[in-house]
Amino acid sequence: AQSVTQPDIHITVSEGASLELRCNYSYGATPYLFWYVQSPGQGLQLLLKYFSGDTLVQGIKGFEAEFKRSQSSFNLRKPSVHWSDAAEYFCAVLSYNTDKLIFGTGTRLQVFP
Amino acid sequence: DTAVSQTPKYLVTQMGNDKSIKCEQNLGHDTMYWYKQDSKKFLKIMFSYNNKELIINETVPNRFSPKSPDKAHLNLHINSLELGDSAVYFCASSQGGTSKGTFGSGTRLTVV
Repeated sequence: AQSVTQPDIHITVSEGASLELRCNYSYGATPYLFWYVQSPGQGLQLLLKYFSGDTLVQGIKGFEAEFKRSQSSFNLRKPSVHWSDAAEYFCAVLSYNTDKLIFGTGTRLQVFP
Repeated sequence: DTAVSQTPKYLVTQMGNDKSIKCEQNLGHDTMYWYKQDSKKFLKIMFSYNNKELIINETVPNRFSPKSPDKAHLNLHINSLELGDSAVYFCASSQGGTSKGTFGSGTRLTVV
């Protein structure tokens, strides 16, 4: 069955530091992968997505993610975190034969000044 | 203009009541969804509609009934509310199989 694992429940970084949020997926074919961000009390905003092609995907707000098939990973990165990046981050895989987005359990990011 | 709008944003109600949450999208998307986010932030799809036709119906109690009067609207009606229904419900819409991704800001339902 398709699944997404986000191993880190909670991450704390200092403002200006680099960030990497981990995501591992389980899917039988080439996955469609997504990263969403949820700010407190808000809905989900799509940061970036991977369907095919270049394995390094650029997104909004300075985020990027790299698809590594050999590791079944799609980690999210940002070179320098801003305080406004504090939020919950969700990785998701699309089961395209059922048209369902399957989400990971999320990683809560805290940013200290 | 808000792309996917849900009302109400907050809903507090007693057990046993019937309530509805409304969702509208102005993006011209063909597909709309309802997701439930529980207290641990876990998100799971409940329903999806494509052009008013039910496509996905996850294992959800039949107290939950989605209704799509047109492709721009997908409402969620919940009968006989239970404490365990307390959650944040998100509406979303998409166009095509891979666009995935416009969510509403959520409706926080609290059943007391």
